[in-house]
Amino acid sequence: NAGVTQTPKFQVLKTGQSMTLQCAQDMNHNSMYWYRQDPGMGLRLIYYSASEGTTDKGEVPNGYNVSRLNKREFSLRLESAAPSQTSVYFCATRSPAGGATDTQYFGPGTRLTVL
Amino acid sequence: SQQGEEDPQALSIQEGENATMNCSYKTSINNLQWYRQNSGRGLVHLILIRSNEREKHSGRLRVTLDTSKKSSSLLITASRAADTASYFCASGFQGAQKLVFGQGTRLTINP
Repeated sequence: NAGVTQTPKFQVLKTGQSMTLQCAQDMNHNSMYWYRQDPGMGLRLIYYSASEGTTDKGEVPNGYNVSRLNKREFSLRLESAAPSQTSVYFCATRSPAGGATDTQYFGPGTRLTVL
Repeated sequence: SQQGEEDPQALSIQEGENATMNCSYKTSINNLQWYRQNSGRGLVHLILIRSNEREKHSGRLRVTLDTSKKSSSLLITASRAADTASYFCASGFQGAQKLVFGQGTRLTINP
């Protein structure tokens, strides 16, 4: 039972390159999220998916696209990377709403540097 | 803008002392959650307190919520070196899928 996994762990890109960050979960949760965390700051929501087939913008969606491939997988794509996208990216899932455990479960993160 | 503001931004105490972190939020919430982040790792959920609760305990953790002041505090008693981490509050809203995270408090426990 791996929980939430992310690949890759580290990535260095040049400005203008593209890449996809992968996230997979085996927790059978409907909701999945992508956040970015910059030094000294909390997490900012990029995109989320409440269920398979749906995606919605978060606080900072510009420069990113997402795909909810199936219930398990939620990918984040940078089409043309910029230095401002240098950050640590976290994927998370959410336990079902309304219960006592309405919480999020996080992956280990992907550290991305854009030169 | 961020929903949660945390105070202090950094806290350094001796092992065995108690650590208190505060979180303020702006709009009405359904619940307030606290997460811990060890260096270089993802966030781990610690405790959730609902808007109709005033205090909650979990092991050495005590969380309070004052909805009239729109604030919450996290108390870690008898701190240990392993408690060294960043702690984040997150606001949850009725019917909403999203959490809004504060900027975090960086806690250092000195042996």
